[in-house]
Amino acid sequence: EVQLVESGGVLVQPGGSLRLSCAASGFTFSKYWMTWVRQAPGKGLEGVANIMEDGSAKYFVDSVKGRFTISRDNAKKSLYLQMNSLRAEDTAVYYCARLDGSGWAVDYWGQGTLVTVSS
Amino acid sequence: QLVLTQSPSASASLGASVNFTCTLSSGHSSYAISWHQQQPDKGPRYLMKLKSDGSHNKGDGIPDRFSGSSSGAERYLTISSLQSEDEADYYCQTWGAGIVVFGGGTKLTVL
Repeated sequence: EVQLVESGGVLVQPGGSLRLSCAASGFTFSKYWMTWVRQAPGKGLEGVANIMEDGSAKYFVDSVKGRFTISRDNAKKSLYLQMNSLRAEDTAVYYCARLDGSGWAVDYWGQGTLVTVSS
Repeated sequence: QLVLTQSPSASASLGASVNFTCTLSSGHSSYAISWHQQQPDKGPRYLMKLKSDGSHNKGDGIPDRFSGSSSGAERYLTISSLQSEDEADYYCQTWGAGIVVFGGGTKLTVL
């Protein structure tokens, strides 16, 4: 059974930093693109960042470029999102998700972790 | 620029059928999409991947009541024999400029 378990969401002050983690199990992690998707309170879903199977290619939505970094450790079957210079508008539930064999469609989701940016 | 457009809301009666539409922006009518369901206070769940020719592959455990079809730049999700647990937000998703892109979502109310 595919499982994705996020952790690391907390209350952080504007300008602060945070690292989210996602532990994967039930599939060969190193063979799949992975992605982070967020959902602000009462809003829709927004793609944040994608990373290729071996970590050699990474993509970011414009609003987080230069502030967020995505990485992975295939040996540990883990995905990470390093978030710096956090803003109030980054407040959201952050979901870790797997992209299917085609590399573009989300086919499994984690349960999400809440990041609140507030003073 | 790739944009997915969805109606913000829909409603249908228990036991009836409902259709959702996801419209791809100009120049992207050949794109495949996927559909996702988000029940209240829960994380999203993958429903199916839907190609431009209407062929679709559903996720694990998705009932036969859920089906997909396509016409031009429009991608459809149909739910038949509506049940109370189908009340949820429904999102379409594709890929653009290296990242996943979502429609604004449609909120389904089951009457």
